[in-house]
Order: sequence, then C-alpha cells, then structure tokens
Amino acid sequence: LAKTTQPISMDSYEGQEVNITCSHNNIATNDYITWYQQFPSQGPRFIIQGYKTKVTNEVASLFIPGDRKSCTLSLPRVSLSDTAVYYCLVGVTAAGNKLTFGGGTRVLVKP
Amino acid sequence: EAQVTQNPRYLITVTGKKLTVTCSQNMNHEYMSWYRQDPGLGLRQIYYSMNVEVTDKGDVPEGYKVSRKEKRNFPLILESPSPNQTSLYFCASSLVNGELFFGEGSRLTVL
Repeated sequence: LAKTTQPISMDSYEGQEVNITCSHNNIATNDYITWYQQFPSQGPRFIIQGYKTKVTNEVASLFIPGDRKSCTLSLPRVSLSDTAVYYCLVGVTAAGNKLTFGGGTRVLVKP
Repeated sequence: EAQVTQNPRYLITVTGKKLTVTCSQNMNHEYMSWYRQDPGLGLRQIYYSMNVEVTDKGDVPEGYKVSRKEKRNFPLILESPSPNQTSLYFCASSLVNGELFFGEGSRLTVL
C-alpha cells in the first residue's frame, strides 16, 4: 500500500507554472501514478496518469524519475479556475489493492 | 453522457436509522468503490468491488456494508449509523487499471 506525501498548500499567481511534488517511497512495481483535481462540493476528476518518465496532455505534465519514488505534477500558466485541491494517487484498481489518497495539496491561484 | 450518479445528495438522519446511499454508473465499468472525505483526512476508501458479487474492504470499512448484484450499481449501506459517520461520501467507477470517475458526492449528517 503506497503512502503518498504532498505539500498541504501552495499559492501562485495567474500565468505562472505550478509544480506539485508527491513522494511515494513504497510504490509497487505495477502501481500507476494518477493525479486528480477537486473543486469544493464536487467529486475529484482525473487530470493525468503515468508510470515512468514524462507524460503530457492538454492540461498538465507529469514527471516521474527513474526510481519512481516521487513525481511532479506541472500545471503550466495557471488561471484563477485552477484553484482547487490536487490529489496524488499511487496504485492500481486491481484485486486486493486498496486505493489510498493522500491529504491533497490546496492550490490557490491569485490574480 | 457518461456519469456516476449518487443518491441522495444530501441527507440528515438520526443515530441507528438504517440508510442506503445508491450509486449507479452507465459506463459498463468493472471496478466500483466508495470513499468518505473528512476535513484534513483526504479521501479514504471504504469498500471496493472488482465485479459483480466481488467486494472487498478498503481502509475504513467498519460500520458499512456494500453489495454488487448488478454491474452498474454499488449501494453503500449503513445498518446503524452513528455520528462519526457524518461525512461526505463519494462513489467512483473505472475500468480495471483505468482512471476513476467520481460521482458528485452525498453529504450525510447523523444526529
């Protein structure tokens, strides 16, 4: 069961890049790393998923070093609407695998 | 539209009065799961199901029951609710090893 550690909160300004790190020392070989975004009173929604190296989609990039014991979610040029809580999830939806979310990182984007 | 639907969205009940929170998904996902979210504790998994008639405990199963008689439905049952089960509950579904799709949440208050 991979336990994750993220910063509790981060402040940024519109147009800046936000990088959120997540540590997961006991990641298992078949675990994926997935990031979710959650707005108040809504369910989390998927942002990006990766296994190793770098993954990029239209909203974010995910950097995973060779040892896979940490990762960095990068949000380019954030806007006010990116203010949310971001969760790093390490695991896989397979038999016998509980999924444990960390406490999340509250990102506040200021004008 | 692909979605996970939870009902009720809001509920106030009293200690000991059995209740069921329903969850339904229309994406033919094998995997379904329930989480509770409490301030400062992130999302904690209650139960999950890999497929019909296959369920397993998550990190905080005490006081809850689930069933998976049909692929699309995964109800959460509180046989005798207590005040410490006051929380925001989320249901989620996914393909095996896929991204989680969350419902909008059910806010439960037990008096």
